[in-house]
Amino acid sequence: GAVVSQHPSRVICKSGTSVKIECRSLDFQATTMFWYRQFPKQSLMLMATSNEGSKATYEQGVEKDKFLINHASLTLSTLTVTSAHPEDSSFYICSARDGTETSQHFGDGTRLSIL
Amino acid sequence: GQNIDQPTEMTATEGAIVQINCTYQTSGFNGLFWYQQHAGEAPTFLSYNVLDGLEEKGRFSSFLSRSKGYSYLLLKELQMKDSASYLCAVMDSNYQLIWGAGTKLIIKP
Repeated sequence: GAVVSQHPSRVICKSGTSVKIECRSLDFQATTMFWYRQFPKQSLMLMATSNEGSKATYEQGVEKDKFLINHASLTLSTLTVTSAHPEDSSFYICSARDGTETSQHFGDGTRLSIL
Repeated sequence: GQNIDQPTEMTATEGAIVQINCTYQTSGFNGLFWYQQHAGEAPTFLSYNVLDGLEEKGRFSSFLSRSKGYSYLLLKELQMKDSASYLCAVMDSNYQLIWGAGTKLIIKP
């Protein structure tokens, strides 16, 4: 149980493009979803926390107008990287937690490459 | 501030035992997690400790001492597939995960 599906797994696009990443909890209701970014050989960096039906809480230094998060339902959250640039190239990972558990269940990640 | 410390890299031999340590200083404590992350993949859950003591799960065991702010992950009968990064994370008083930088474990034949 507790499967989180993240799509797409890999994106390669031109600078200036907006990219949407989906994160779905397949067999549980995710009251809270987390979006992380990970640069090579570094640990996970939390970007934002989103609760269903409310605005996401962004970590310090993360531009909310650039990284748009929508947690419209208990099973879906989306991260849109607007007007992406090469410095946004990274591994983006979502995780989800239901109301009864403390552990987070991770999606498979999205490798974003901006040319 | 909040801080999680773990070694950057460790090397061990196939079939041996390795212990990866993690020390933490956080605002509140609601449990400590260990995750395994292979290169290019998302983390996968290994263990969760919220009470002091040892939790054993097959070849992997995790220990916690809350008074010392210390945990370790013990891997027995190492296999080549255990080569990965091992991430220590502590859930603070706001139920937010604070992540360590990870320990890269290299297994040699």
